[in-house]
Amino acid sequence: AQKITQTQPGMFVQEKEAVTLDCTYDTSDPSYGLFWYKQPSSGEMIFLIYQGSYDQQNATEGRYSLNFQKARKSANLVISASQLGDSAMYFCAMREGRGSGYSTLTFGKGTMLLVSP
Amino acid sequence: DAGVTQSPTHLIKTRGQQVTLRCSPKSGHDTVSWYQQALGQGPQFIFQYYEEEERQRGNFPDRFSGHQFPNYSSELNVNALLLGDSALYLCASSFFRGPTEAFFGQGTRLTVV
Repeated sequence: AQKITQTQPGMFVQEKEAVTLDCTYDTSDPSYGLFWYKQPSSGEMIFLIYQGSYDQQNATEGRYSLNFQKARKSANLVISASQLGDSAMYFCAMREGRGSGYSTLTFGKGTMLLVSP
Repeated sequence: DAGVTQSPTHLIKTRGQQVTLRCSPKSGHDTVSWYQQALGQGPQFIFQYYEEEERQRGNFPDRFSGHQFPNYSSELNVNALLLGDSALYLCASSFFRGPTEAFFGQGTRLTVV
């Protein structure tokens, strides 16, 4: 079974509008972390935001927020006030277990976001 | 503060050849993980190195091997290249214990012809 599912292959949004990118996950580990990365055409994976499974509040980083619904196993990324530079691939990823040691990232297939003027 | 650096950025090899990719982690990080990203897919975990040992390995054949040096830098070696090995190879560095996020390099795009 897919551990990370991103059902939107592509999303279109107009500049200055908000957009939500969907991510659902599957794990039986009570301790896990959820990440969103942005990958522009240059290839580098840019870390955006992190949510731990025990975090009580939704994570926010500037224009990025993570809508974490634990019971539904969803971790949607919300980008407010989209900018042209936000056009890129966006990947949701999960780390199972506590801490960085012995744990690796499992990625979804990604969502391509295109922001139009 | 330099981030994760990878070399080379692009590489073209012939089937059957061997290739070595290099990664220098972000300053202070002690763990390096390698990922393969095929076109149109998300990255797939290859293996992770900490204290110069392979700690975790994904579902990749033995043709894929690696090394970590005392300065935490790492190499990924692929032997007997196949056309299907063509991909973007990403290196990620992190702390083995501590802050959770991994930082990625810009990747090495390998084309096997």
